[in-house]
Amino acid sequence: EVQLVESGGGLVKPGGSLRLSCVASGFTFSSYTMNWVRQAPGKGLEWVSAITSSSSYMYYADSVKGRFTISRDNAKNSLYLQMNSLRADDTAVFYCARDDYSNFPFDYWGQGTLVTVSS
Amino acid sequence: DIQMTQSPSSLSASVGDRVTITCRASQVLRNDLGWYQQKPGKAPKRLIYATSSLQSGVPSRFSGSGSGTEFTLTISSLQPEDFATYYCLQHNSYPFTFGPGTKVDIK
Repeated sequence: EVQLVESGGGLVKPGGSLRLSCVASGFTFSSYTMNWVRQAPGKGLEWVSAITSSSSYMYYADSVKGRFTISRDNAKNSLYLQMNSLRADDTAVFYCARDDYSNFPFDYWGQGTLVTVSS
Repeated sequence: DIQMTQSPSSLSASVGDRVTITCRASQVLRNDLGWYQQKPGKAPKRLIYATSSLQSGVPSRFSGSGSGTEFTLTISSLQPEDFATYYCLQHNSYPFTFGPGTKVDIK
């Protein structure tokens, strides 16, 4: 069974940093492109970032470019999102999501981890 | 960046109704369009990929169609468990973009 489990969310002050993790199981993690998608409270979904299977390519939403860094450790079946210079409008539930083997997006999602940016 | 719009933003329907949601893109997408269902407090769930391919395990009352810049999600006979918010997603090019969502609630 495919499972994605996020962690690392919490309360952080504006300008602070946080690192999210997503541990994958039930599939060959190193073969799949992985993503972060977020959802601000009461709002819609926003794709944040993607990383290809061997970390050859990373992509970012304009809203996070230069502040967030996506990475992965295939030996640990883990996906990360390093978030710096956090702002109040980064407050959201962050989901990790997998692209399927044909690279169609988001066939599996984690349960999400809440990041709150507030003083 | 490709912008996505959805209509309607919300609708009220009864069990058994046929429901259609439309998604429009600011650029041609080929078939790079998917549909996702989200219930309150839960992660989204993929319903449709590649415009019209049904995700495994999703009931056949859900279907997708369209081409170019206009796409539709149809629920042929709305069931109680279908009351949720639906999002389209373009993945033709990065940054991927979701539509703003359509909330389907009970009439």
